[in-house]
Amino acid sequence: KAGVTQTPRYLIKTRGQQVTLSCSPISGHRSVSWYQQTPGQGLQFLFEYFSETQRNKGNFPGRFSGRQFSNSRSEMNVSTLELGDSALYLCASSLALLAGGPDNEQFFGPGTRLTVL
Amino acid sequence: AQKITQTQPGMFVQEKEAVTLDCTYDTSDPSYGLFWYKQPSSGEMIFLIYQGSYDQQNATEGRYSLNFQKARKSANLVISASQLGDSAMYFCAMRENADTGRRALTFGSGTRLQVQP
Repeated sequence: KAGVTQTPRYLIKTRGQQVTLSCSPISGHRSVSWYQQTPGQGLQFLFEYFSETQRNKGNFPGRFSGRQFSNSRSEMNVSTLELGDSALYLCASSLALLAGGPDNEQFFGPGTRLTVL
Repeated sequence: AQKITQTQPGMFVQEKEAVTLDCTYDTSDPSYGLFWYKQPSSGEMIFLIYQGSYDQQNATEGRYSLNFQKARKSANLVISASQLGDSAMYFCAMRENADTGRRALTFGSGTRLQVQP
């Protein structure tokens, strides 16, 4: 079974640009979450999607947005990039049989490393 | 207050020895889940083990076991028979409101483990 895939793996952008990152969850998984990892702030939750609906959002500015498609693939978008947006962006997928059910496992992709110059 | 505290920034262990990585957590939610992840230098987060707050027994997965002490709010990871390939960052994470379907994970700052031959 293929794991979580994220594209692209590396990105270099300049300040003010926008970027779109993609995540394909494990086949059959319905929930996708996004995290930002930086040396200073560590791992921080961005948002979570289930059945094309955003169920939870972390404490990030509105420049960070996302969506989920009917095939569970998800994208996140960052507009008006700032230097501080340079980070490893990780996507996690979970089975989520029920919208409100517990999950014992969340599987992460390899991440997209974004560098903002 | 920190929700997840990992007090060991770095640890050394000899190959084939056991090592314990500490994790304490803070929550008033009766339903929560605790995760441990390994992050090698490649950046991918590898799921290791999960413990639910209502689980009566400590979780084990191969060489990994979780020493869950609920009253002390600690969830230490024990790696038995360390291998050179275990050298990596290890993160403890918590999911609160586990029975509401919210899947956001709160991560600790991590422990860098180095296994020495």
